[in-house]
Amino acid sequence: AQSVTQPDIHITVSEGASLELRCNYSYGATPYLFWYVQSPGQGLQLLLKYFSGDTLVQGIKGFEAEFKRSQSSFNLRKPSVHWSDAAEYFCAVGAGDYKLSFGAGTTVTVRA
Amino acid sequence: NAGVTQTPKFRVLKTGQSMTLLCAQDMNHEYMYWYRQDPGMGLRLIHYSVGEGTTAKGEVPDGYNVSRLKKQNFLLGLESAAPSQTSVYFCASRTHLSTEAFFGQGTRLTVV
Repeated sequence: AQSVTQPDIHITVSEGASLELRCNYSYGATPYLFWYVQSPGQGLQLLLKYFSGDTLVQGIKGFEAEFKRSQSSFNLRKPSVHWSDAAEYFCAVGAGDYKLSFGAGTTVTVRA
Repeated sequence: NAGVTQTPKFRVLKTGQSMTLLCAQDMNHEYMYWYRQDPGMGLRLIHYSVGEGTTAKGEVPDGYNVSRLKKQNFLLGLESAAPSQTSVYFCASRTHLSTEAFFGQGTRLTVV
C-alpha cells in the first residue's frame, strides 16, 4: 500500500519569501502525485498533479513541484509567497487502485 | 456549477444517536469517496464506491456504513455515534478516466 510523509507540520514564511514544502512517498511503482490546498473552513483544491513525463510540474497560483524518483519526493515550491497562500497543504499519492492516500498536512503561516 | 455538495455542513450529535451525511455530485462521476480529517492525521479513507450499487471499505471503516443507490449520491451513516467520530468529513468524486478528485466543502461533526 502507498503512504505519504510530510515532515513539516508547520512552516512560517515572510510575505515575498520563497516557500518549499516537503513530501515523501512510499510506493512500489510510479505513483500519481498530487498537492492540494485547504483554506480555513474550506474543502480541498487541487494545486497540481504528476502522472508521467516532465518531472517539473506547474500548477495554479504560481506553485510548482518536482518529482524526484531517486528520493521518492514530490516537493512543492513557490518563489514568492503572498498572504493569501496561508493555508494547509496536503500531498497525496494515488496508485493503480482507486484510492488516494494523504499526508498529515503542512500548515503555512505568512507573516507581513 | 454545484460540483460536490455535502449536507449538512455542521452537526452536533449525542453519543448513541444516528445520522446520515449526504454527498451529491452533478458531474456524472463513477467513483465517490468518504474521508475523515483529524488534526495531524491528514485525510483517511472511510469507504468508497466505484459505481452505483457498489461500496467498499477504506482505511477506517469501523462504525460507518455507506450506500450508493443512485450514481450521483453517496450516503455515509453513523448508526450509533461515538465521541471518537468527532471529525470533519469530506466527500470526493472523480471520473474513471482521471485520478483527479473533486472535494465537497466538508461536514463538521461533533459527538458529545
